[in-house]
Amino acid sequence: GAVVSQHPSRVICKSGTSVKIECRSLDFQATTMFWYRQFPKQSLMLMATSNEGSKATYEQGVEKDKFLINHASLTLSTLTVTSAHPEDSSFYICSARGQAHSYEQYFGPGTRLTVT
Amino acid sequence: QKEVEQNSGPLSVPEGAIASLNCTYSDRGSQSFFWYRQYSGKSPELIMSIYSNGDKEDGRFTAQLNKASQYVSLLIRDSQPSDSATYLCAVRAGYDYKLSFGAGTTVTVRA
Repeated sequence: GAVVSQHPSRVICKSGTSVKIECRSLDFQATTMFWYRQFPKQSLMLMATSNEGSKATYEQGVEKDKFLINHASLTLSTLTVTSAHPEDSSFYICSARGQAHSYEQYFGPGTRLTVT
Repeated sequence: QKEVEQNSGPLSVPEGAIASLNCTYSDRGSQSFFWYRQYSGKSPELIMSIYSNGDKEDGRFTAQLNKASQYVSLLIRDSQPSDSATYLCAVRAGYDYKLSFGAGTTVTVRA
């Protein structure tokens, strides 16, 4: 149980284009989903928290107009990196928790974004 | 002061030995504590959660929590080469569901 998928696993895009990353909970309903970014040799940095049907809450310093988050259903959240630049290249990981999971978060496999 | 602190390592242990990882946190009101394992290039995987003072055992893993001293530890018994990874300590400090992560301790188990 508690399986989370992400798609795509790896994406290369040109500077200025937008990229959409999907995060799905496969065997539970995710009341809350989280988006993290991880640079090489660094820990996870929370970007935003999203609850189904409501606007995402962004962490300080994260541009909400650049990183668009949609949590349209209890099993799907999307992160769109708009007008990507090389400095946005990173490992983006989503996590999800359901009501049955108390405070535990289960992570997707991550998406490695490279902006050229 | 960082919210969650861990020794970065690397911690090198021989196969079959016990690996001991420590984590301290700054918010005395923290209620939930987690250990995640992250292999290089992969996403974190939850291995232990602990909510009450004392020990919690799951297979070769034991988590220990001491809220008075604000530390949580993870013991890995009979360490195997497959345990070589970075171990992240995570703490839920507030009244929401957000987790604060430590920088991680890299463990290398040598055969």
